[in-house]
Amino acid sequence: SYVLSQPPSVSVAPGQTASFTCGGNNIGRKSVHWYQQKPGQAPVLVVNDDSDRPSGIPERFSGSNSGNTATLTISRVEAGDEADYYCQVWESSSLHPIFGGGTKLTVI
Amino acid sequence: EVLLLESGGGLVQPGGSLRLSCAVSGFTFSSYAMSWVRQAPGKGLEWVSAFSGGGGSPFYADSVKGRFTVSRDNSKNTLYLQMGSLRVDDTAIYYCAKNRGFWWNPEDSIFDYWGQGTPVTVSS
Repeated sequence: SYVLSQPPSVSVAPGQTASFTCGGNNIGRKSVHWYQQKPGQAPVLVVNDDSDRPSGIPERFSGSNSGNTATLTISRVEAGDEADYYCQVWESSSLHPIFGGGTKLTVI
Repeated sequence: EVLLLESGGGLVQPGGSLRLSCAVSGFTFSSYAMSWVRQAPGKGLEWVSAFSGGGGSPFYADSVKGRFTVSRDNSKNTLYLQMGSLRVDDTAIYYCAKNRGFWWNPEDSIFDYWGQGTPVTVSS
């Protein structure tokens, strides 16, 4: 089965850039979606189809995908961006979505 | 405004059953696939089940196949998850999520709106 690998944590200072990686075999051939989950809240879609932003998501959120790594980037990080970030793809063999283990963003 | 409201969670003994409901508003329910996604305490997200739009078909994760049944009532704008033979490792918050499109396929399966979740605890 297909596996998505995410580092458990990322720490950045306010105003800096945070990058979240999502690794998978030839993930560049798949569409990757990213969700933000703040403590005690439901997930929110922040990037879909590698690099598209849903309505209402700030331009500070961007995505890319190539080779074996997809990346979510948050520019000018704010304290309110503290959350867990999950990547998601469709697994062709089992015909269902799978999620990475998530990365916790700490704004220091 | 798109709203999804789950209900029906609670404490149940191993081997027991529970029925979750998800009432939606703000969009044409029958035109979209709908999913259940769960999150065990302190863990990540796991897709559980989905039902394609209209009077379509159900889909299940291997971990719940044969024990859970997903259904939808398009006249009531409600999605259901009947859970049976519950196990301790089914303990989680269960989220209802709207999928982007009608069909169950890579393009339409993105989760674009989520409910706040309902907690299920399986314990003796």
